Amino acid sequence: GAGVSQTPSNKVTEKGKYVELRCDPISGHTALYWYRQSLGQGPEFLIYFQGTGAADDSGLPNDRFFAVRPEGSVSTLKIQRTERGDSAVYLCASSLSAGGTYEQYFGPGTRLTVT
Amino acid sequence: AQKITQTQPGMFVQEKEAVTLDCTYDTSDPSYGLFWYKQPSSGEMIFLIYQGSYDQQNATEGRYSLNFQKARKSANLVISASQLGDSAMYFCAMRSLGAASKLTFGTGTRLQVTL
Repeated sequence: GAGVSQTPSNKVTEKGKYVELRCDPISGHTALYWYRQSLGQGPEFLIYFQGTGAADDSGLPNDRFFAVRPEGSVSTLKIQRTERGDSAVYLCASSLSAGGTYEQYFGPGTRLTVT
Repeated sequence: AQKITQTQPGMFVQEKEAVTLDCTYDTSDPSYGLFWYKQPSSGEMIFLIYQGSYDQQNATEGRYSLNFQKARKSANLVISASQLGDSAMYFCAMRSLGAASKLTFGTGTRLQVTL
């Protein structure tokens, strides 16, 4: 079956612009996570959804970052007024449910470059 | 707060030999899970193995085994019979098995398998 997909795979934008990154989770997975991976680092948690609601957004670095999941499936991570420090790979993951021992399946990531 | 420490930035192993990748963790949660992921140069995060804090036996998955020492707060990954395709970044991660669902990752170890 299909895994987690993310679009675009690469995004280059100018400083100050607005970007949207999309994640399509595995069908039937109710939990969806966003992580950010900077060069040479491990992924860092941004936000996760259980269904349509953001259950934990404690990892969002500031109010320029926002994510939605209106129908409990596809999610969009939105970044306003991008800065060069936002350049990273943005990873999305999904799991059958949140908590417990449920494994998180990762997508291939979107590489964001802010020039 | 949870913390994962991976002290080996890079490791070399000869093909067909075994290798141990170190991981120590810190948490105040009584119930938690430990995970290992592989990240090849293509960028995707591939789940390898899981160990629950209350599991009595060390986890094994094919050539992967997890050497879990709870008192020492260590969760080392052992790869037996290394193959060239094992060359990748390896990340140790953990999360609470309660309501909080986010993964906390270490900084990773780059494994290079040589002939």
